[in-house]
Amino acid sequence: AQKVTQAQTEISVVEKEDVTLDCVYETRDTTYYLFWYKQPPSGELVFLIRRNSFDEQNEISGRYSWNFQKSTSSFNFTITASQVVDSAVYFCALSEVSGSARQLTFGSGTQLTVLP
Amino acid sequence: EAQVTQNPRYLITVTGKKLTVTCSQNMNHEYMSWYRQDPGLGLRQIYYSMNVEVTDKGDVPEGYKVSRKEKRNFPLILESPSPNQTSLYFCASSFGQGARAFFGQGTRLTVV
Repeated sequence: AQKVTQAQTEISVVEKEDVTLDCVYETRDTTYYLFWYKQPPSGELVFLIRRNSFDEQNEISGRYSWNFQKSTSSFNFTITASQVVDSAVYFCALSEVSGSARQLTFGSGTQLTVLP
Repeated sequence: EAQVTQNPRYLITVTGKKLTVTCSQNMNHEYMSWYRQDPGLGLRQIYYSMNVEVTDKGDVPEGYKVSRKEKRNFPLILESPSPNQTSLYFCASSFGQGARAFFGQGTRLTVV
């Protein structure tokens, strides 16, 4: 069965520090997709990235970067030069392609607090 | 604008009083799901639907019903709500497995 683990429940950093959020997943599928979503204090879920299992290239988008490593089943998310507006809960999620169409399996989330 | 719309955003109800949370999407997506979010547990899937008249249970279906009579709508029904169903609920839609899911704004339900 698919599973996503976000071992860091809460992280607190001071503004301008870099921070990495860890995500480890389990799946038996060879084809799957990984996602990161952000949930700011207002409560909505904001899509950040989607990555398929055949593309291990790291991705950078502004201050955000993602490191996908199939060998360790990890899909970690780094925020460079963090800002107070980055304070949110961040969820990693997995979607298998074969088997039942159960859409997303989420990790338990990491609460990031960026202090001024 | 592409969106998933849930209503109501906030709801306080009493134990046993039937309620429906509506969800509608305007993207012609085939896949729709309901999730509940609880502290420390992330989002857990309640029910999902692959198309009209096709629904199936997710991880936590007990106490919930759904229906998919039209492609755009996927209401969540609590026939006899209990306090343990107090939670934040999200509806989502996507083109298919592995596709990006679009989420509604969330419905915060309190059952007293």
